[in-house]
Amino acid sequence: DTAVSQTPKYLVTQMGNDKSIKCEQNLGHDTMYWYKQDSKKFLKIMFSYNNKELIINETVPNRFSPKSPDKAHLNLHINSLELGDSAVYFCASSDDGDFAYEQYFGPGTRLTVT
Amino acid sequence: KNQVEQSPQSLIILEGKNCTLQCNYTVSPFSNLRWYKQDTGRGPVSLTIMTFSENTKSNGRYTATLDADTKQSSLHITASQLSDSASYICVVSAYSNYQLIWGAGTKLIIKP
Repeated sequence: DTAVSQTPKYLVTQMGNDKSIKCEQNLGHDTMYWYKQDSKKFLKIMFSYNNKELIINETVPNRFSPKSPDKAHLNLHINSLELGDSAVYFCASSDDGDFAYEQYFGPGTRLTVT
Repeated sequence: KNQVEQSPQSLIILEGKNCTLQCNYTVSPFSNLRWYKQDTGRGPVSLTIMTFSENTKSNGRYTATLDADTKQSSLHITASQLSDSASYICVVSAYSNYQLIWGAGTKLIIKP
């Protein structure tokens, strides 16, 4: 069974559009994350979220917003897409928000903005 | 500034050979250091997690070392296999703001 799943795997869209990426984890974890991996392969955390607290990386534009309908899901909404948003986006989850715990990653969503 | 630097950027070795990947960091205050393996087109998978007091940890053919004094870590792969071809990423966690600082990774290619 897939532990952390994301849909879609590939997303091609035009500048200015609004899109969403979905993430689900079946590990029973309390905390979920969104990461962006750029062309240089660095992973940068965008958000960490549990049912109590949303921590936002202050460098993330407010066009990006996480939405969690329940503990097992954390979706990423992106408004007014820009060329620079093209990247691979990874969802992850862990047992706790404390970064001492192992994070489990989804397969990634490759977003291409044209 | 908190940073993680890895070397080499890429490495090609023959199947069956050993190799060592390096990681230097300037993260403070240090919480833990992880090594991840990322196959092409997939998410990272954790290999090891080490805290300040641990200086070595193994996971099968993977052995990570940590020198918290010099702020260096290495990942040694023994008897490499074709399936070891991947990017290996060093990640350091800082206590102060629960931040994970990711290195750019070493791209390892194993040739038959």
